[in-house]
Amino acid sequence: QSALTQPASVSGSPGQSITISCTGTSSDVGGYNYVSWYQQHPGKAPKLMIYDVSNRPSGVPDRFSGSKSGNTASLTISGLQAEDEADYYCSSYTSSSTLVFGTGTKVTVL
Amino acid sequence: EVQLLESGGGLVQPGGSLRLSCAASGFTFSSYAMSWVRQAPGKGLEWVSAISGSGGSTYYADSVKGRFTISRDNSKNTLYLQMNSLRAEDTAVYYCAKGGALWFGEKGADYWGQGTLVTVSS
Repeated sequence: QSALTQPASVSGSPGQSITISCTGTSSDVGGYNYVSWYQQHPGKAPKLMIYDVSNRPSGVPDRFSGSKSGNTASLTISGLQAEDEADYYCSSYTSSSTLVFGTGTKVTVL
Repeated sequence: EVQLLESGGGLVQPGGSLRLSCAASGFTFSSYAMSWVRQAPGKGLEWVSAISGSGGSTYYADSVKGRFTISRDNSKNTLYLQMNSLRAEDTAVYYCAKGGALWFGEKGADYWGQGTLVTVSS
């Protein structure tokens, strides 16, 4: 199972909106509404930001939103803040009854 | 408060074995799937294995199938990962993660431990 494809880096200024894409296939992202997004700060454990494509766990700011179209899922961060600078990973359930993570995206707040 | 505490990591020679444990507290352990996810130094996240709440269903990444075994003891609120025939490429921080549902595929992994480092080297 190959990793889902994410851009290596995305950057934006405070207050701006950015979108991170996560491209898979019909056997994972496109086939199921089980896409999650995780935020990871250096040296820390990942944190769940979005589950099942577009649902936010309690405590996650509504600046974070998720969507999906075909084989590509997206995470949008609106009103970018300094503390949003981190690595972001998508994950998806697959037709092989496994999970697969994305390659990861480093978000830089300019 | 949900807490996940991994233990059992360390240095092991290629071909050796190691058993990781994850002690869970703050939630009804048997009601949720659990997973192991690893991260090699400077690399991205890699899903390793998952187990249903009852322990009756287990799932593995191709990279560890046949070498690793996931299990759980719901009476002790503890998750395990038995790792055999270890290779240099298994070197990573291993995270224990709580699923958001009984089945590991949905609702993501909503709580994570701090991880335990496994180093495979001679």
